[in-house]
Amino acid sequence: GIQVEQSPPDLILQEGANSTLRCNFSDSVNNLQWFHQNPWGQLINLFYIPSGTKQNGRLSATTVATERYSLLYISSSQTTDSGVYFCAVEYYNTDKLIFGTGTRLQVFP
Amino acid sequence: DAGVIQSPRHEVTEMGQEVTLRCKPISGHNSLFWYRQTMMRGLELLIYFNNNVPIDDSGMPEDRFSAKMPNASFSTLKIQPSEPRDSAVYFCASTMTGIGGYTFGSGTRLTVV
Repeated sequence: GIQVEQSPPDLILQEGANSTLRCNFSDSVNNLQWFHQNPWGQLINLFYIPSGTKQNGRLSATTVATERYSLLYISSSQTTDSGVYFCAVEYYNTDKLIFGTGTRLQVFP
Repeated sequence: DAGVIQSPRHEVTEMGQEVTLRCKPISGHNSLFWYRQTMMRGLELLIYFNNNVPIDDSGMPEDRFSAKMPNASFSTLKIQPSEPRDSAVYFCASTMTGIGGYTFGSGTRLTVV
């Protein structure tokens, strides 16, 4: 089946720093989504981004489907950004959303 | 909209007991998904429904697990009999196929002792 790899697995930042999270996938996909799982376990959809670039406040994402990767940018990080960031891809021609292993982000004041 | 609603939030049960988890998707969404999250295996898709019909249950670990979606606003995931290795957080999610992102419920933390 499709492989979804995220890097880095762990990231520690000081408040105010910028970061880039990467997601590589091994096959063609219908769409790609980024999620944030906060320390309370809630999964929040950040972006639905099958291709191109989107921005939402301090967060932005870019997906290059032809090269099978996506990037999530976090600028001016805040302690509330802490948690695990998941990339998830939808198999081509199915509804199945397959999750990567996540990047655990810790932001310290 | 109240989002995807799951109940209960926490469940502690003894090995061998039947467990039923419940999910109410967002009104108007036509696809519903059950995921399980553990430290060892991450987020795994167990089963998904489209227009109330089970489409793919290949992720259901074994016959002890079953899921139903009797109507567009309700789904259940049942484990009978439960075992300690079933302990995990179970998430339900819904979406309108092809339109946008998935919305997850708050999850049910299941502990089987």
